[in-house]
Amino acid sequence: AQSVAQPEDQVNVAEGNPLTVKCTYSVSGNPYLFWYVQYPNRGLQFLLKYITGDNLVKGSYGFEAEFNKSQTSFHLKKPSALVSDSALYFCAVKRGSASKIIFGSGTRLSIRP
Amino acid sequence: EPEVTQTPSHQVTQMGQEVILRCVPISNHLYFYWYRQILGQKVEFLVSFYNNEISEKSEIFDDQFSVERPDGSNFTLKIRSTKLEDSAMYFCASLQGQGSYEQYFGPGTRLTVT
Repeated sequence: AQSVAQPEDQVNVAEGNPLTVKCTYSVSGNPYLFWYVQYPNRGLQFLLKYITGDNLVKGSYGFEAEFNKSQTSFHLKKPSALVSDSALYFCAVKRGSASKIIFGSGTRLSIRP
Repeated sequence: EPEVTQTPSHQVTQMGQEVILRCVPISNHLYFYWYRQILGQKVEFLVSFYNNEISEKSEIFDDQFSVERPDGSNFTLKIRSTKLEDSAMYFCASLQGQGSYEQYFGPGTRLTVT
């Protein structure tokens, strides 16, 4: 069975500091990994994905994520946080290109000025 | 940029009533999905739809739920007899085809069952 764990309900970071939002996954076979962001009263916006190739993937708004197969992790990072990055972030996994997405429980990122 | 749209944005209904949530996926996409998010909880998969039939459904998607693509444009989710626990945000998503990986999500419909 596939699953995704986001161990932190909330991450608080000062503006300008680097941020990391953690994610670990469990899936048989090769994982397809995603990060989505949800702003208040909005839908889910795609940030980035890992399908194959380079373990470091870059996405929207300056975010990047590193795929680590040995640790089964896919942590989301940004070198310098902005207040506007404050939102709910979901890590997700799926097994095939057209398969359902399995979401983690979400991490609320709060960036203080 | 093309986007998935959903109507209505908010639906209030009484327990036992039928509701239909509507979605217009991106026009050249072939795979369609419904997910739901109960307030404060994770986003959960309900059903996937391809080639005019359900390709996968979750345990949540029981006989009270049905999906339809009535006219080649809309993709609907019907709940036959709503329960209080159906109150949630419902998201529609679409995917272009095999070899595409990114599902595009609509803004959601907030369903409130009273």
